[in-house]
Amino acid sequence: DAGVTQSPTHLIKTRGQHVTLRCSPISGHKSVSWYQQVLGQGPQFIFQYYEKEERGRGNFPDRFSARQFPNYSSELNVNALLLGDSALYLCASSPRGLSNYGYTFGSGTRLTVV
Amino acid sequence: RKEVEQDPGPFNVPEGATVAFNCTYSNSASQSFFWYRQDCRKEPKLLMSVYSSGNEDGRFTAQLNRASQYISLLIRDSKLSDSATYLCVVNINAGGTSYGKLTFGQGTILTVHP
Repeated sequence: DAGVTQSPTHLIKTRGQHVTLRCSPISGHKSVSWYQQVLGQGPQFIFQYYEKEERGRGNFPDRFSARQFPNYSSELNVNALLLGDSALYLCASSPRGLSNYGYTFGSGTRLTVV
Repeated sequence: RKEVEQDPGPFNVPEGATVAFNCTYSNSASQSFFWYRQDCRKEPKLLMSVYSSGNEDGRFTAQLNRASQYISLLIRDSKLSDSATYLCVVNINAGGTSYGKLTFGQGTILTVHP
């Protein structure tokens, strides 16, 4: 079975541009969460979606938005990119919104803003 | 105060050593607890869940003290392949709903040398 898949794996954008990152959860998983990890830090929660609705949002500006599709895949959109948005963006998949059994991460999209 | 705090290390230990990592969390709404392992430039991978009764998986032992809001990970007989960043992770019930978010510590770097 495929794990959590993210695309693209690497991306270089210039300041002010827009970016869309994509995530497909493990088959049967209905929850997708997005995290940002800057170098030297642990991942920071951005959004959680469950059954196509936003269920949680972290302390990120409105430039960050996301959605979940009927097939449970998800997109993370970031507008007006800043240099500080350079990071590894991780998608996590779980069967339900709250999992006591851990979450599975995709290999991430490494975004560089220049 | 950070919601999840870890000693960032780095810990440099010889093969065969026993090493212990500690972690504290501040949010009493925390519901589940994990240790994740992250290799350089890779995604975090679930190492083990942590239960109040303590749990063991081979050379790894995890403990949770809810009263002290403290989590630990003990690695016995360290192997070269244990070299990685170890992330203490807490699943917080966000907004009183049944949906959670993962809150990560900044990670503890472990290097096991010959």
